[in-house]
Amino acid sequence: LAKTTQPISMDSYEGQEVNITCSHNNIATNDYITWYQQFPSQGPRFIIQGYKTKVTNEVASLFIPADRKSSTLSLPRVSLSDTAVYYCLAHTGGFKTIFGAGTRLFVKA
Amino acid sequence: DGGITQSPKYLFRKEGQNVTLSCEQNLNHDAMYWYRQDPGQGLRLIYYSQIVNDFQKGDIAEGYSVSREKKESFPLTVTSAQKNPTAFYLCASSTPRGAQETQYFGPGTRLLVL
Repeated sequence: LAKTTQPISMDSYEGQEVNITCSHNNIATNDYITWYQQFPSQGPRFIIQGYKTKVTNEVASLFIPADRKSSTLSLPRVSLSDTAVYYCLAHTGGFKTIFGAGTRLFVKA
Repeated sequence: DGGITQSPKYLFRKEGQNVTLSCEQNLNHDAMYWYRQDPGQGLRLIYYSQIVNDFQKGDIAEGYSVSREKKESFPLTVTSAQKNPTAFYLCASSTPRGAQETQYFGPGTRLLVL
């Protein structure tokens, strides 16, 4: 199972772009990279998923270089409501999905 | 609306008591999961079920039990053998899609010991 490493915490200000990088050096060929967001006292929710290159949806962008040993979640123009914990997973799905401690993003006014 | 419901939102357990946490989904998902989350920590897998009448232990199954008699329901019992049950419990479900599988989570149940 691929182990991921991401910063414990990050601070930002409203309106800024936030990039959270995740390292997954031993990612397997079949693994996908998935990011979840969790607000306090709520369950995590899916943000974005990708295998390689760039994926964009209405919430975020995910950049994955060719070697796939890292990935970067990009949140454009964050607001106070983006304050949450963000989890990076490199997985083959199901019970093999491992949620680490995540990155605590704190957005300030 | 489709989704996952967990009840109760808060649960209090007395010493030596078994308590059961409810998890129901109407997403028609085959797989269901129970996680435990301690303050400032990630999620740890307690039990999972990939199909009705079948379930497997996760990483921290000791002191917990589950059943999966219906596709929609996956209740978790915290037994008296679990000596440190205070935590936030999350239920999730998914449709197995290999590596592209994503999990849908319920709102959680916070268990406290009196």
